[in-house]
Amino acid sequence: GDSVTQMEGPVTLSEEAFLTINCTYTATGYPSLFWYVQYPGEGLQLLLKATKADDKGSNKGFEATYRKETTSFHLEKGSVQVSDSAVYFCALHGSSNTGKLIFGQGTTLQVKP
Amino acid sequence: TAGITQAPTSQILAAGRSMTLRCTQDMRHNAMYWYRQDLGLGLRLIHYSNTAGTTGKGEVPDGYSVSRANTDDFPLTLASAVPSQTSVYFCASSETSYHEQFFGPGTRLTVL
Repeated sequence: GDSVTQMEGPVTLSEEAFLTINCTYTATGYPSLFWYVQYPGEGLQLLLKATKADDKGSNKGFEATYRKETTSFHLEKGSVQVSDSAVYFCALHGSSNTGKLIFGQGTTLQVKP
Repeated sequence: TAGITQAPTSQILAAGRSMTLRCTQDMRHNAMYWYRQDLGLGLRLIHYSNTAGTTGKGEVPDGYSVSRANTDDFPLTLASAVPSQTSVYFCASSETSYHEQFFGPGTRLTVL
């Protein structure tokens, strides 16, 4: 079945460092891919998305490119801030009409000043 | 607009008791979902509803039931809670099952 694998955390970076959080997926067909962010004590917020191969999703300085050849959707940001500290979830939506999102296990990012 | 509201924010429940977690959305979305979030497992789908009057089982439906009497509300019921149902529960909605999902703030449930 469909699945998403994220790099294990926690990831600890200094402010202004470059961020990469790896995400790979297994799915039949052509899934849509998402990154959600969860700030402490809050629900999930959609960060960015890509719906077809080679699409690049971007928002708030974060980017991720849908790579079908490597089945990946890695999240990147050139210069992280303390306010980016959160848990990041990679997810896919496959061809099922249930709307079910398949989530990775989440990666905790801590940015230190 | 409020988006999605969930109640209660948190609850401690004795094993064997029943409880209903409430979820209301004001976006007139057709599809709604219940997920549970457990450390190291991400979020897993419990039940979903593609439109008012219909529901379906997700990945981990056992011990839970839902109803969708109208577009706005999607309550989740635990008939007889067990400690393994200790989790954070998130309700979500989307315009249709093919659109992006918006999440509520969550309910933290502890079953003792």
